[in-house]
Amino acid sequence: GQNIDQPTEMTATEGAIVQINCTYQTSGFNGLFWYQQHAGEAPTFLSYNVLDGLEEKGRFSSFLSRSKGYSYLLLKELQMKDSASYLCAVRDPQAGTALIFGKGTTLSVSS
Amino acid sequence: EAGVTQSPTHLIKTRGQQATLRCSPISGHTSVYWYQQALGLGLQFLLWYDEGEERNRGNFPPRFSGRQFPNYSSELNVNALELEDSALYLCADRGGGRYEQYFGPGTRLTVT
Repeated sequence: GQNIDQPTEMTATEGAIVQINCTYQTSGFNGLFWYQQHAGEAPTFLSYNVLDGLEEKGRFSSFLSRSKGYSYLLLKELQMKDSASYLCAVRDPQAGTALIFGKGTTLSVSS
Repeated sequence: EAGVTQSPTHLIKTRGQQATLRCSPISGHTSVYWYQQALGLGLQFLLWYDEGEERNRGNFPPRFSGRQFPNYSSELNVNALELEDSALYLCADRGGGRYEQYFGPGTRLTVT
């Protein structure tokens, strides 16, 4: 089967660092993706990991451990505009090239 | 380059009717993916089209169907609408040698 788990909600304050975890169990694995989705808008692509390790892109970093079926998204120097849902998705070759999404983590950033 | 486009933005239908949603990928990109985002369920994969053919479908009943046209735009049809079909329907494309998918703005379908 396919299962992707993320915390439902997280809260943090401006300027802080937050880590959003994602665990996955899929039949196959061909990459893990993180998307950001503001309320009422479409998801926007943040990062892609296919090999173990950390990928850094500005204030956002994403980590992958394939042996543990685990990833996290790290957001530094949080800003109010980072309040959004963060979606973890896996590409499972069994599903072709479609993405299998978790239910998302809603992050609220307060001042 | 222009992004993925979808129409209409909003669609209101009554139970039992049919809905047609449209998507145009970025020019030259041949793959189109359809996803449903219902409240509390997250994004769920519906259909994948590439080069005019249906390549894969998610765990949805046959009343969800679609097609891809020669210009790679795509249409999603939902027949015999049910209340639980109310959701945001997102179209995504993947092309240019990328692995990630880029989403259109979505169509909000409301079934009353």
